Amino acid sequence: GAGVSQTPSNKVTEKGKYVELRCDPISGHTALYWYRQSLGQGPEFLIYFQGTGAADDSGLPNDRFFAVRPEGSVSTLKIQRTERGDSAVYLCASSLTGSTNEKLFFGSGTQLSVL
Amino acid sequence: AQKITQTQPGMFVQEKEAVTLDCTYDTSDQSYGLFWYKQPSSGEMIFLIYQGSYDEQNATEGRYSLNFQKARKSANLVISASQLGDSAMYFCAMREGLGGTSYGKLTFGQGTILTVHP
Repeated sequence: GAGVSQTPSNKVTEKGKYVELRCDPISGHTALYWYRQSLGQGPEFLIYFQGTGAADDSGLPNDRFFAVRPEGSVSTLKIQRTERGDSAVYLCASSLTGSTNEKLFFGSGTQLSVL
Repeated sequence: AQKITQTQPGMFVQEKEAVTLDCTYDTSDQSYGLFWYKQPSSGEMIFLIYQGSYDEQNATEGRYSLNFQKARKSANLVISASQLGDSAMYFCAMREGLGGTSYGKLTFGQGTILTVHP
């Protein structure tokens, strides 16, 4: 695709429910990143994929959060037993190979609201 | 320790004037990249400029330049001839190389809100 696509753009759920957020990176980009951004804050790193594997998942806050990228393209961020504190904008980004000098291309984000 | 520090929560500038947004970073790696992104109220993240740790010249992209002072570990963004459309949140970010503790991922600062007055 032309850019990084994230769906849905908005997700409202109830506390305790399960949600899935989808990211479709730029075609051919092997590196994919998930970030979480709270209002007025910088994006907070969650997980980084190289191809199908998670190269760095140190940012996942706890075991309720999980992400997959089974075919090295589309990625899904899964949150179990959602809590009100999970409310934030979840940003996905991709880059061609993940090398140090590559800029990240960001999607428009998914605004998650947990009621 | 914070990897990226932006000490200015908010900055104001008059239209057509220049403004400098501060950024300091912390790394023991010799190979790293520094980035600036702009985030308008619409929420999109827009790449502005990149500086590699081995680059001898300061990076420039149109009205944006990066004042890179390696010994001080600072990478300040300079916006010349400010425009009303420059009003946004600005983030400094760093990606470390293989020797870094956070290799691969881009680590962001807390951001600076820039307001351009007419």
